[in-house]
Amino acid sequence: DQQVKQNSPSLSVQEGRISILNCDYTNSMFDYFLWYKKYPAEGPTFLISISSIKDKNEDGRFTVFLNKSAKHLSLHIVPSQPGDSAVYFCAASAQGSSGSARQLTFGSGTQLTVLP
Amino acid sequence: NAGVTQTPKFQVLKTGQSMTLQCAQDMNHEYMSWYRQDPGMGLRLIHYSVGAGITDQGEVPNGYNVSRSTTEDFPLRLLSAAPSQTSVYFCASSYQKTNEKLFFGSGTQLSVL
Repeated sequence: DQQVKQNSPSLSVQEGRISILNCDYTNSMFDYFLWYKKYPAEGPTFLISISSIKDKNEDGRFTVFLNKSAKHLSLHIVPSQPGDSAVYFCAASAQGSSGSARQLTFGSGTQLTVLP
Repeated sequence: NAGVTQTPKFQVLKTGQSMTLQCAQDMNHEYMSWYRQDPGMGLRLIHYSVGAGITDQGEVPNGYNVSRSTTEDFPLRLLSAAPSQTSVYFCASSYQKTNEKLFFGSGTQLSVL
């Protein structure tokens, strides 16, 4: 059973408009959330993160919102640019048991296409 | 600064063959890990290491072996390749205290026939 779900495999938006990518999780122990961006033939790169003690984190054109009661987070990109076209992965982590390292659980990704 | 380097970029194996995927990082990161990416499945953790001489299993470890003899290198061994191991493999590293902020290599596309 996937603990981190990205239900939209793809999303297309016009250049200059807002892109909203969504992510849901089921594990209430997750306390740190991240978004990674992946271009073809490259590895994912870290984009933005948020701790569970916050409900919003902003970095330039990128803002992540966290709704803990709904177990939902979203990534907003404003304004969207053609260079933002990529696969976006949502990820979450929880404190490891017995002092073990924290591990990331990834969603399946959303392909964002920004149309010029 | 090379970051995380993976070799090879592409590999085709026959069922039953063994091989090693190489991973090296030059950032002095304590934490290293291997993921596989499959369609509709996202990235799944195979094995990870929190330092030289220390390894542990992730979500999907069966059929894979790892070792960490140095801080820089973390090879992934396929013992007897199976078609179910056809996937894209990513190595990643990070500082131990912020191990969620991973630096990924560019991946190895592996096909097992």
